[in-house]
Formats: sequence, structure tokens, C-alpha cells
Amino acid sequence: ELKVEQNPLFLSMQEGKNYTIYCNYSTTSDRLYWYRQDPGKSLESLFVLLSNGAVKQEGRLMASLDTKARLSTLHITAAVHDLSATYFCAVRPGYSSASKIIFGSGTRLSIRP
Amino acid sequence: KAGVTQTPRYLIKTRGQQVTLSCSPISGHRSVSWYQQTPGQGLQFLFEYFSETQRNKGNFPGRFSGRQFSNSRSEMNVSTLELGDSALYLCASSVTLDGYTFGSGTRLTVV
Repeated sequence: ELKVEQNPLFLSMQEGKNYTIYCNYSTTSDRLYWYRQDPGKSLESLFVLLSNGAVKQEGRLMASLDTKARLSTLHITAAVHDLSATYFCAVRPGYSSASKIIFGSGTRLSIRP
Repeated sequence: KAGVTQTPRYLIKTRGQQVTLSCSPISGHRSVSWYQQTPGQGLQFLFEYFSETQRNKGNFPGRFSGRQFSNSRSEMNVSTLELGDSALYLCASSVTLDGYTFGSGTRLTVV
């Protein structure tokens, strides 16, 4: 069964610093998703990574995918308080839209002044 | 464009009762998936419906069931509620392989 592991699970960082969240998965896939969840809210889609080597950027967030290593990263540049949230990666195994998406445990990010 | 609509937003039920949650997907989205989110277990996949057929199912007991109607709206039902069923239930719709759009969720509290 597909396993999706994120690390770290908790991250407290200062404003202005850079950091990376890692997402490893255990089976073949070329579709990886990143979501953000604010406390008490639903999940918001951040990035859809569709192929090996895909890189997407939005503001201070950049996501990349290495399907050979089964690894995705979410890099935060010069963090600001507004980025405090829980970030989830999710993987759709195989190459079919019929397979279910499996989520990692989430990384709770807290950015302090 | 309207998003994914879940009703109700909040629900309090007593142990042993049953509950039905509703989800209206984005227009044109034929796939609807349901997830249970709890602090201890994270996001757990319940089931997915596509064109009124259950396409995938998670590892939940038979008390959890769902269905999808011809207009793609979906309902999930939990019978004989237990305290451990207290959770945020999230519905998501999708088209092709582009990932999900989630609804706001239904927060179920079982007392």
C-alpha cells in the first residue's frame, strides 16, 4: 500500500528564514499535490506537479518533484507570518485517474517574528 | 464559478444515531471523494464516487456508506455513531488528474 511520509511534522521558524519540507512516497507516481490548511478551515490547493523534474513557484513557495527518488520538496523563502499553516503533500499512485489520492500526515508550520 | 458545497457545516449527534452528510461538487466534476480528518489519524480516505459508481473505498467499517446521484451530488451516511466518529468530514471533487478541490467540510461531534 502506498505510504506518503512528510518531514518534519512540526516546524517553528523565524520570519525571514528559508526552509524545506520533504515528502517521500513509496510507489510509482507522477502526480503529486501540495495543499495548505489553516486552523479550522478546509484544504486549499497550492501546487499540482505532473512530471519528473516539475517545478512550480507561487510567491515565497516553490515545489519540485523527483519521481525517480520518489521525493517532492516544498521550499519556503524568506518566511512571513502569513505562511503559518499546515501543509500536506498528496500522491495519486500509478498513472490512472481512477486511483485514490493518499495524503501525508501534514507539516504544521509556525512562523514567529 | 461555485465551489464544492458541503452541508451541514456543523452537526452534533448522540451515540447510536445515524447521520447523513451532503456534498455538491463543482459543476462538471464527476468524481467526488470523501475524507475523514482527525487530529490523531490525519486525513483518511473514505470512498470515491465517479458517475454514480463507487470507484475506490478506504478501510472503514460498513457503518460508513455513500452514494452519488445522477447530478454528481454525493451523500455519505454513518450509522450507529460512535464517539470516535467525531471528525471533520471533507468532500472533494475533481476532473481529470488535476487533484482535488475541497469543500469547507462538515464538523461532526458525537456526544
